[in-house]
Amino acid sequence: GAVVSQHPSWVICKSGTSVKIECRSLDFQATTMFWYRQFPKQSLMLMATSNEGSKATYEQGVEKDKFLINHASLTLSTLTVTSAHPEDSSFYICSARGPTSAAGELFFGEGSRLTVL
Amino acid sequence: SQQGEEDPQALSIQEGENATMNCSYKTSINNLQWYRQNSGRGLVHLILIRSNEREKHSGRLRVTLDTSKKSSSLLITASRAADTASYFCATESGTYKYIFGTGTRLKVLA
Repeated sequence: GAVVSQHPSWVICKSGTSVKIECRSLDFQATTMFWYRQFPKQSLMLMATSNEGSKATYEQGVEKDKFLINHASLTLSTLTVTSAHPEDSSFYICSARGPTSAAGELFFGEGSRLTVL
Repeated sequence: SQQGEEDPQALSIQEGENATMNCSYKTSINNLQWYRQNSGRGLVHLILIRSNEREKHSGRLRVTLDTSKKSSSLLITASRAADTASYFCATESGTYKYIFGTGTRLKVLA
């Protein structure tokens, strides 16, 4: 199946710093990727839809200046958490639609656990 | 919130027993998918059922869909300890966005 790689898998940073998370489709091109956030023992909340070559579409309540998304190529989308604070600590997961799935099966990265001190 | 609801929130069974989890959603959908997540990991796609399908099988998995009730169920037969994970349903309504349910945490005891 299609492979989505996410990096880093975990990161610890100081409050006020910015952190970049990368999401790569390794063996297929993904014009659309999705970024989710997950709190412990909770479900995934869609943050934004990342579109190659255009601006991301953010869900209601998600600060676009706080969570910068760049989808500069067909295989890479990045999420930058700017001026991170402890409340931004979470598990961030990206996903992309598979190349051959007309119905839209999603392939997920392994997630990135962010801890802001 | 558009998020779907799943029940039970947690389920503990003995190895060999069947596990059933349910998902309810709020809007019309194109398809519904079930995913599995091991603790601290990404999600793995299990099965997809389209809105015009009522039942689908894949190995030990059986999924049903009742669009009139806006609900779906996932049945895992002959469960194994390795099935221990969280299971999520996700719905897609034509916008290519996927809304996830609240999840069921399944624990299979050896």
